[in-house]
Amino acid sequence: AQSVSQHNHHVILSEAASLELGCNYSYGGTVNLFWYVQYPGQHLQLLLKYFSGDPLVKGIKGFEAEFIKSKFSFNLRKPSVQWSDTAEYFCAVNAHGNNRLAFGKGNQVVVIP
Amino acid sequence: DAGVTQSPTHLIKTRGQQVTLRCSPKSGHDTVSWYQQALGQGPQFIFQYYEEEERQRGNFPDRFSGHQFPNYSSELNVNALLLGDSALYLCASSVARGNTIYFGEGSWLTVV
Repeated sequence: AQSVSQHNHHVILSEAASLELGCNYSYGGTVNLFWYVQYPGQHLQLLLKYFSGDPLVKGIKGFEAEFIKSKFSFNLRKPSVQWSDTAEYFCAVNAHGNNRLAFGKGNQVVVIP
Repeated sequence: DAGVTQSPTHLIKTRGQQVTLRCSPKSGHDTVSWYQQALGQGPQFIFQYYEEEERQRGNFPDRFSGHQFPNYSSELNVNALLLGDSALYLCASSVARGNTIYFGEGSWLTVV
């Protein structure tokens, strides 16, 4: 079974600061990788996904993530955050051909205006 | 609009009672999965339905059961509710072996 680790559960930063959230997974086979965002009171929304190809993936709202296979990592980045990026961010993984997701515990990000 | 609809949005139950949560998948999707998200935690996979059968199951007791109907909608049933069952229950839909998964807004269950 896959497992996902996210560090620094609570992150507080000022507007215009850069954000990087770490995600490591454990699974021996080929995986698909996802970052989901959950804004206060809203449902999980897909930020970006990696299936294959270019390991640098660009998503919505200026987010990007890089898949480093040798490190089993899929870190999320945004160069300059806005107050509206305040949300909880979840990294998730599934095995190719199996749409059962394993989630990390999430990162609660608070952006101070 | 997520396309996946769940009901009810919020409900309160007493310990020992039973609850049924409902989910309609996104149009064109035939696979429904259920997740439990406790406060401060990531979603945990409960089980998945495809072709009206449970195909995969996570580490949840038999008190958690489900059903999928011919129109692909699904129900999650929890019997003998415990305080620890209080959580957000998420429904996710996809196509079989598809890689993109859509989530509903969830049903908040409080057990008192």
